[in-house]
Amino acid sequence: DTAVSQTPKYLVTQMGNDKSIKCEQNLGHDTMYWYKQDSKKFLKIMFSYNNKELIINETVPNRFSPKSPDKAHLNLHINSLELGDSAVYFCASSLTKGGNEKLFFGSGTQLSVL
Amino acid sequence: QKEVEQNSGPLSVPEGAIASLNCTYSDRGSQSFFWYRQYSGKSPELIMSIYSNGDKEDGRFTAQLNKASQYVSLLIRDSQPSDSATYLCAVKPGFKTIFGAGTRLFVKA
Repeated sequence: DTAVSQTPKYLVTQMGNDKSIKCEQNLGHDTMYWYKQDSKKFLKIMFSYNNKELIINETVPNRFSPKSPDKAHLNLHINSLELGDSAVYFCASSLTKGGNEKLFFGSGTQLSVL
Repeated sequence: QKEVEQNSGPLSVPEGAIASLNCTYSDRGSQSFFWYRQYSGKSPELIMSIYSNGDKEDGRFTAQLNKASQYVSLLIRDSQPSDSATYLCAVKPGFKTIFGAGTRLFVKA
């Protein structure tokens, strides 16, 4: 009964390819996020959706495009992958977008671009 | 200036000692403060949250907040080898949760 699940767990691909990461939460939360964790373990927010509406869009290359078909799902599509995209991508959710809400993280997707 | 700053460590303490982790933040409008623990190869998990000035205790963990100094700390009493992990300070000034770079803690048996 995984609360926040993301697939795939590992993704190895060549430069220039396009790939997608999928995320689903069964917690009934309204808000979902994508975070990127680089090799130095710095966790940086990329996007957030609240009830399918984009509410956070950090300075991220437009090769990255999130999509939220419903509030339980948030996918991340990456076009024209570059070496610098190699990182661990975490999906997370919270009950609401504000207040004191804590984050529930998925297990992460380790992306390696060769 | 980084939004959330932590000493990257590593911080090494003997088993049974108190581990003290510190964090400063830049946005004075921040209202919510969190400590997440991340084991190697795993996802972050929340261990403490604090919203008002002072101390908050939960078992072996105590979080301390001083909004005037823009300072948050985490004390781990009776440190155990299983506490060895990276501890991420996080601040929520609005919709987004902003993380520090984390402090690596090693507890030596």
